[in-house]
Amino acid sequence: DTAVSQTPKYLVTQMGNDKSIKCEQNLGHDTMYWYKQDSKKFLKIMFSYNNKELIINETVPNRFSPKSPDKAHLNLHINSLELGDSAVYFCASSFRGVDSTYEQYFGPGTRLTVT
Amino acid sequence: GENVEQHPSTLSVQEGDSAVIKCTYSDSASNYFPWYKQELGKRPQLIIDIRSNVGEKKDQRIAVTLNKTAKHFSLHITETQPEDSAVYFCAALMNRDDKIIFGKGTRLHILP
Repeated sequence: DTAVSQTPKYLVTQMGNDKSIKCEQNLGHDTMYWYKQDSKKFLKIMFSYNNKELIINETVPNRFSPKSPDKAHLNLHINSLELGDSAVYFCASSFRGVDSTYEQYFGPGTRLTVT
Repeated sequence: GENVEQHPSTLSVQEGDSAVIKCTYSDSASNYFPWYKQELGKRPQLIIDIRSNVGEKKDQRIAVTLNKTAKHFSLHITETQPEDSAVYFCAALMNRDDKIIFGKGTRLHILP
């Protein structure tokens, strides 16, 4: 299923480099997120955007900069990569209905390895 | 602050037996509680959810219960099968900013 897609799937890079991860959703959802999942499997929210507007910005180093060119896309740019940035990064999107229904779906993840 | 506690962190169950995972949440305004299953190398997948206007929801071998007063919710898997082995996450939705707070996950092993 390609409802929420991310590229690349794997990213191996050296410390100090700058890299980007792209995310797209074709579900028509209003809100998109970036999560970081570390080696212990903890899922931690980093950012969320609603209709291109930044809603959530957790305590993430400012080397991480999200960009949402439109409602269907949310990209993550990381400057000056560090060893501790190695993790799986998941994009997600969500929809809240008028009857307060809610659904959130994850992308396939991008495994980032910093050497 | 916002917090979701999940127990146990690891659970081993004999195939065919039941598994129960428990969570508590801190924000009394939360009204949506999803459960996700994550297989090795895959994305978290929503398997069941419950809203605060009901106390229990069932979908085949999976059920979720919610006690709003105590701020507890639980996942019950009956007649466990090998394919149930995975990491399970509970979560609670913070209404004010559509932020989902996840528990730390439970690694479920189904023993043959």
